[in-house]
This record gives sequence, structure tokens and C-alpha cells, in this order.
Amino acid sequence: NAGVMQNPRHLVRRRGQEARLRCSPMKGHSHVYWYRQLPEEGLKFMVYLQKENIIDESGMPKERFSAEFPKEGPSILRIQQVVRGDSAAYFCASSPPSGSTNEQFFGPGTRLTVL
Amino acid sequence: AQSVTQPDIHITVSEGASLELRCNYSYGATPYLFWYVQSPGQGLQLLLKYFSGDTLVQGIKGFEAEFKRSQSSFNLRKPSVHWSDAAEYFCAVGPFAGNNRKLIWGLGTSLAVNP
Repeated sequence: NAGVMQNPRHLVRRRGQEARLRCSPMKGHSHVYWYRQLPEEGLKFMVYLQKENIIDESGMPKERFSAEFPKEGPSILRIQQVVRGDSAAYFCASSPPSGSTNEQFFGPGTRLTVL
Repeated sequence: AQSVTQPDIHITVSEGASLELRCNYSYGATPYLFWYVQSPGQGLQLLLKYFSGDTLVQGIKGFEAEFKRSQSSFNLRKPSVHWSDAAEYFCAVGPFAGNNRKLIWGLGTSLAVNP
């Protein structure tokens, strides 16, 4: 059973471009979480999604950031018109459906660098 | 308010010494408690978890944690630290039941190990 997959592992964008980060949860997992980690800082929750639904987006910036988890395919975190302050590691985690363990399984992260 | 506090931002121990990382939480419902470890440049890996039963739980890599309800604590311990344990450690708390499975995270404790 493959773990949580994220791609790309490293992404370089110039200011004003768009960044698309992909996350494929573990097989059978229906909950996906996105986190951002700035250098020397802890994890910051961004958004929590189930298939086709956003459950909690309280950590998402109001502008330029969006996330989706379609019925088919990976979850996507999209950052429009990136700025240097968006440079960070973005982690995706997934967990099984309700009724089972609440443990989150993490992907290796995407490291975004904005030039 | 729900929160997790890791009082120690940074700890340095000598190899072979014992280790205790502190975690205190504030949570309104029955908590599900976790410790994760993040090695440099890597994603997070689950060390151990607790939701019921014996309050002393064993995890991977020789770690253990003790849940103390009266103190709202879930401290992580290891009897003898190895140089490879140098990493960032995160404590998290989440719901035992319910559909919103979002975890609340501490800011992390950075562990350095002296030879």
C-alpha cells in the first residue's frame, strides 16, 4: 500500500506565476489535510477536505489560495500569483474514513521556492 | 479554546542521556493524542498515539509517552537518546469521534543530540 504521494517534490516559480501542488492520499483514505511549514516554524493548518467537499478552510489565506479534492484524482492546492512569502514546504496528510483511527499519514512535502 | 502547548522550543541532550519532551493540551472532548517526528527535509512520521486503555504507550524507535488526564499532559520519553533522534517533534490532539477529524498541533520541539 503506497503512502501519501505528493508532487512535485520541489517547485520553483517566479513572482506572479501559479503554483499547483498535488496530493494523492493513501488508498482508502477519504480525508485530506494541507499544511504549510515556514523555515524554522511549526506546521500551520491550511485546509481539510473530504471527497468533493471542503470541511474546514480556516487556515487558508482569503486570496490567491484554493484547494480541491475531486471525486477522481488527487487533491490540488493552487496558489495564484505567487509572492516570495509563499516560499515554504507544503505538506499533505490523509486519514481513513470516520469510524476508524484518526491518525494522519503525511506525504514527503512539496518545497516551493518563489524567485 | 483547543490548544496544544510544547513548552520547550529547543532541547539539547547528550547521546545516551534520557529524554523527556513535554506536551500539554486543552481540549473539550475525549482526546486522541499523537506524537510525530520530522527529520530535516522530511515529512512527518507517527511515533505513537493514545486514545484509551493503558496510559503508558509504546511507540517506534524506543519512544514511549504517558497520558496524564489530571495534568492534561502527554509527555514523550526515551531512556537513552541516539544521535539519529535529532529531529523536530510535534504533539497533536484530535477528536476521538465525530466527522471533523482536524488535529490541533503544537509548535514543535527541536531536539539536538551532542556526541
